[in-house]
Amino acid sequence: ETGVTQSPTHLIKTRGQQVTLRCSSQSGHNTVSWYQQALGQGPQFIFQYYREEENGRGNFPPRFSGLQFPNYSSELNVNALELDDSALYLCASTRAIAGGTDTQYFGPGTRLTVL
Amino acid sequence: TQLLEQSPQFLSIQEGENLTVYCNSSSVFSSLQWYRQEPGEGPVLLVTVVTGGEVKKLKRLTFQFGDARKDSSLHITAAQPGDTGLYLCAGANNNAGNMLTFGGGTRLMVKP
Repeated sequence: ETGVTQSPTHLIKTRGQQVTLRCSSQSGHNTVSWYQQALGQGPQFIFQYYREEENGRGNFPPRFSGLQFPNYSSELNVNALELDDSALYLCASTRAIAGGTDTQYFGPGTRLTVL
Repeated sequence: TQLLEQSPQFLSIQEGENLTVYCNSSSVFSSLQWYRQEPGEGPVLLVTVVTGGEVKKLKRLTFQFGDARKDSSLHITAAQPGDTGLYLCAGANNNAGNMLTFGGGTRLMVKP
């Protein structure tokens, strides 16, 4: 186990609704990244948070937003859900080091289904 | 935009056979990582390669990073049913906060 936990495990929503996914990072890690993995594909980078601020973003619309808290846990919020948002959402934590970040450790993911 | 192409997408082999998975890009990465993912779980890191030309071995798995740090391969010797899973390569760039760019994955099934 990586020490990264995510909740909930599974979630079913309908189009237009909003969802909040949560991630607790591994002890000692101050950086959290979120990824979206559609069925049968590799994960796609959504954004990264470091010291409670967004520190890089992939090609996702503004209705995907996030937060990082002082204890380094994080939330991913998605507004106005669309059918294509159905995916496994992965959280990965790491620690910032000189020149970049250390190895990222992934949580088990939250499976979101949008009907 | 950096892209990683993985091949093959699917591989079904008999126990005891050897296989190679390829990960190719036109971009240079600071490092390249290989993950294995089981259904319903997050990716688990197998190895990180950093230096061009680097070769790392993990039991029956051999990982190689291309000289130009644009491509990598994973070779499994004498595959076993326990090797079944989704294998993902991911490139990282220190200049981009170590954001990972993943390939599409290779789904391996090893039949007993």
